[in-house]
Amino acid sequence: DSGVTQTPKHLITATGQRVTLRCSPRSGDLSVYWYQQSLDQGLQFLIQYYNGEERAKGNILERFSAQQFPDLHSELNLSSLELGDSALYFCASSEPRLAVGWGGEQFFGPGTRLTVL
Amino acid sequence: AQSVTQPDIHITVSEGASLELRCNYSYGATPYLFWYVQSPGQGLQLLLKYFSGDTLVQGIKGFEAEFKRSQSSFNLRKPSVHWSDAAEYFCAVGPQSTASKLTFGTGTRLQVTL
Repeated sequence: DSGVTQTPKHLITATGQRVTLRCSPRSGDLSVYWYQQSLDQGLQFLIQYYNGEERAKGNILERFSAQQFPDLHSELNLSSLELGDSALYFCASSEPRLAVGWGGEQFFGPGTRLTVL
Repeated sequence: AQSVTQPDIHITVSEGASLELRCNYSYGATPYLFWYVQSPGQGLQLLLKYFSGDTLVQGIKGFEAEFKRSQSSFNLRKPSVHWSDAAEYFCAVGPQSTASKLTFGTGTRLQVTL
């Protein structure tokens, strides 16, 4: 158990709908990362938040957005869903760079499997 | 741009045999390097990392990896594979300058025969 929690575990919805995925980082971690894992694209970085602010952006579609709240949990919002959005969405967290023993690793949650029908 | 290549999509080994999974990276400076393992239906678990210092790093579950700067490689090894090691293995690279995104390889699926 990495200490990163994600809800829900599974999500089935229809095209055109909107969903929200939730992530709680490990205690003390300030950074949250979102990744998408699909058969054709592999594991791709979507976006990073650090202590409530957007830090880095990857291949995230305009239909997707994220935020990190004051309690450091994060939500990934996916709208106008298409069949191709079906994937496993992972959240990861990492400790602050100045933390003792920091090694740059990210700790992954169990993922949310999204199926768009 | 940084990239990671895992040339072997699928590898089958017998239980008790040795294992080496290949990883080559492309990055402008010395990166952080990681190996993660993903069991079916599970998240990614960190096996080991290279940050700096000794180029041979030890990880969990008896795995080790060697960083070779001249070959831009970070191959994962295990001297004796167990049936429970069957999973998908991902090599990843991240920048040292900031704690930011990881770039993953396409993964190697390991099958273990008894």
